[in-house]
Amino acid sequence: NAGVTQTPKFQVLKTGQSMTLQCAQDMNHNSMYWYRQDPGMGLRLIYYSASEGTTDKGEVPNGYNVSRLNKREFSLRLESAAPSQTSVYFCASSEFGDTQYFGPGTRLTVL
Amino acid sequence: QQPVQSPQAVILREGEDAVINCSSSKALYSVHWYRQKHGEAPVFLMILLKGGEQKGHEKISASFNEKKQQSSLYLTASQLSYSGTYFCGTEAGGSARQLTFGSGTQLTVLP
Repeated sequence: NAGVTQTPKFQVLKTGQSMTLQCAQDMNHNSMYWYRQDPGMGLRLIYYSASEGTTDKGEVPNGYNVSRLNKREFSLRLESAAPSQTSVYFCASSEFGDTQYFGPGTRLTVL
Repeated sequence: QQPVQSPQAVILREGEDAVINCSSSKALYSVHWYRQKHGEAPVFLMILLKGGEQKGHEKISASFNEKKQQSSLYLTASQLSYSGTYFCGTEAGGSARQLTFGSGTQLTVLP
């Protein structure tokens, strides 16, 4: 039982490049979330998926897109990376507003 | 709107007690508490629901004042392992089931 897994763990991009962050959970949770965390800051919600087939914007969605591929997987795409998107990205899953379980994070640097 | 946490930082000696507060300007359905150690993912501590239900870590207690939209986390007889950054996440209710996190309280427990 791996919980929530994220790939990659680290990534360096140049401005304008694109990439997809992958997230998968094996707890059969309906809800999944993408957050970003900047140094010394709390977690800010980018997008979430309350259930399979639905996605909604969070607090800071600009510059990102998401896909809920199936119940297990929720990916985050940066179409044209900018230095302001340098951050640590966490994926989380939960069951209808219950405890959120976080993945280990992806540390992204955009040069 | 982001909940406000206080204090921003606290330093304790092992065995001492601490209280961390979380305040929101919105009517809340629930408050979640998480602890994050440096370089790691946030880990669930407590959920407090409107109406009095709560669940979480057996050695940590918390309160939720629904009228004031405030929650407090009580850390008693602190241990070295309690060091980390504590975040409250507030849920305003409705169907979204999304959390808005505070900026965190950094707790350091010294021997």
